[in-house]
Amino acid sequence: DIQMTQSPSSLPASVGDRITITCRASQSIGHFLNWYQQKPGKAPKLLIYVASRLHRGVPSRFTGSGSGTDFTLTISGLQPEDFATYYCQQSYPEVTFGGGTKVDVK
Amino acid sequence: QLQMQESGPGLVMPSATLSLTCSVTGGSISHRDYYWGWVRQPPGKTLEWVGSIYYNGSTHYNPSLMSRVAISADTSKNQFSLKLSSVAASDTAVYFCAGHLGLVAFDPWGQGTPVVVSS
Repeated sequence: DIQMTQSPSSLPASVGDRITITCRASQSIGHFLNWYQQKPGKAPKLLIYVASRLHRGVPSRFTGSGSGTDFTLTISGLQPEDFATYYCQQSYPEVTFGGGTKVDVK
Repeated sequence: QLQMQESGPGLVMPSATLSLTCSVTGGSISHRDYYWGWVRQPPGKTLEWVGSIYYNGSTHYNPSLMSRVAISADTSKNQFSLKLSSVAASDTAVYFCAGHLGLVAFDPWGQGTPVVVSS
């Protein structure tokens, strides 16, 4: 099965920062990569699907890029509500999730 | 707007079968664009896909759980269900149901229901 490796696992940041989270697949998955945001005690929320498409209602400060094995999620101008844990997920051919990146206050 | 709600026992005995149901409102589970999935999250850990079902009964399971998992759908009740047999403490997790759009991305999600496996 395809392994998804996220880095970093923890990312201290400040409001207004531009941050980047990386997700690497153990083999090529094309563009079948999605990103989710999860806050404590809540269900994950879809942010980005098929690598770069912004889900409806998601602010434009979130951008996704990449293909093959290397993908990134960038938040430009971190807002207070963005402190959360972020997960990548691939769906080719079976579903697996990355280990998560916790974005917390520096 | 699609909404999902999980229901089922919060405590299951070791070696027993875990049974959960997801009720879907705001749309039909017979929607051709959607599969319907289960994802779980052990305490403090990442997410793990359990499996997904299409309204016609076609299923896809996580290979690591395949021998113990069964997902079914009841279109008359607009629900789908998860059964996980021979549970152990390692199956303790919050279980989420979610729409699995085109077998690609999960949206929307239910709020999740915690299940503890313990005697």
